[in-house]
Amino acid sequence: DAGVTQSPTHLIKTRGQQVTLRCSPISGHKSVSWYQQVLGQGPQFIFQYYEKEERGRGNFPDRFSARQFPNYSSELNVNALLLGDSALYLCASSSQGSSSYEQYFGPGTRLTVT
Amino acid sequence: GDSVTQMEGPVTLSEEAFLTINCTYTATGYPSLFWYVQYPGEGLQLLLKATKADDKGSNKGFEATYRKETTSFHLEKGSVQVSDSAVYFCALSTNNNAGNMLTFGGGTRLMVKP
Repeated sequence: DAGVTQSPTHLIKTRGQQVTLRCSPISGHKSVSWYQQVLGQGPQFIFQYYEKEERGRGNFPDRFSARQFPNYSSELNVNALLLGDSALYLCASSSQGSSSYEQYFGPGTRLTVT
Repeated sequence: GDSVTQMEGPVTLSEEAFLTINCTYTATGYPSLFWYVQYPGEGLQLLLKATKADDKGSNKGFEATYRKETTSFHLEKGSVQVSDSAVYFCALSTNNNAGNMLTFGGGTRLMVKP
């Protein structure tokens, strides 16, 4: 079975630009979460979506937005990029019915802002 | 708010040595606890989990016991291998109105020498 997939793998943008990152969850998973991992740190929660609705939002500015599509794939958008947005962006999917809240991560998108 | 604290790395061990990586947490409610592993250039892989007090999670020779009285979830392995070299993240998850977001510690890098 395919795991969580993310695209693109790497991305280089300049300050002020906008970026869209994409994620496809594991088949059958209806929940998608996004995390930002700055080099040398643990991942930080950005958003969770379930059944196309936002279920949670972390402490990130409004420049960050996301959406989930009817096929449960998701996009993360970041506007007006700053140098500090350079990070590995991880997508995770889960089966909302799981009592242990396991999340399965994709390989990530490495964003570099210059 | 919820938080996870891990021992700082790097932890450098010789092959077949005993491993302990300490993890303590602060949470409201009754969290599920996880250890994730991240190999160089990759996303996060779930290593093991525990969903209630006194549960022991285990996988690939790694173990961790959910200790509610000490709010800890220390990772142990009796005999490490070079292939265990990676960054290990302790995390907790609570399901509230914001969904089941994961809160991660800062990560502990393990280096195993032959």
